[in-house]
Amino acid sequence: DTAVSQTPKYLVTQMGNDKSIKCEQNLGHDTMYWYKQDSKKFLKIMFSYNNKELIINETVPNRFSPKSPDKAHLNLHINSLELGDSAVYFCASSPRTGEYSPLHFGNGTRLTVT
Amino acid sequence: GQNIDQPTEMTATEGAIVQINCTYQTSGFNGLFWYQQHAGEAPTFLSYNVLDGLEEKGRFSSFLSRSKGYSYLLLKELQMKDSASYLCACLDSNYQLIWGAGTKLIIKP
Repeated sequence: DTAVSQTPKYLVTQMGNDKSIKCEQNLGHDTMYWYKQDSKKFLKIMFSYNNKELIINETVPNRFSPKSPDKAHLNLHINSLELGDSAVYFCASSPRTGEYSPLHFGNGTRLTVT
Repeated sequence: GQNIDQPTEMTATEGAIVQINCTYQTSGFNGLFWYQQHAGEAPTFLSYNVLDGLEEKGRFSSFLSRSKGYSYLLLKELQMKDSASYLCACLDSNYQLIWGAGTKLIIKP
């Protein structure tokens, strides 16, 4: 199936731990993203990655880092997890940056930090 | 600052019509998207407007007025499966997506 897939779907961990979320898209898209959706349901862009160009939302703590081994993958690493990191994280992709370019989202990873 | 406003929650009856409004203030404008998000699932693309007017797609239509900074999503012949959150998002002058908080639509039999 063509899709954006991310793993794991659920992640429960303790404060201070380091964790990763994986994302893969087989749609042949050029641009990938990481979004955070908090309890109020706002979707906030964290990173976008297009042809090796990384655009970082300046509000994202440097404990968060994206890693892209190739165009089809954009993983999210989180160091020293904090309670406030609890949220749903969505990976997404689009054919290209800008213009009319709808996002295709993965099914999300619900991160709970205890 | 940039801002997208939508009602937090709306309730409608199965078979009826509902209109979900979205007003926006952004640095430049390159189009407006509507996405549907069922509880616990990913947002899925519904529509895109960049020119003024109405875009119809089956039971769903989306309207845009750039001069008023206003859009609405119109859902006709409501079905129970339409219960979801509807997210409005604008592309600003840098082609960055600015998201609203979404409108939770509850459909009653």
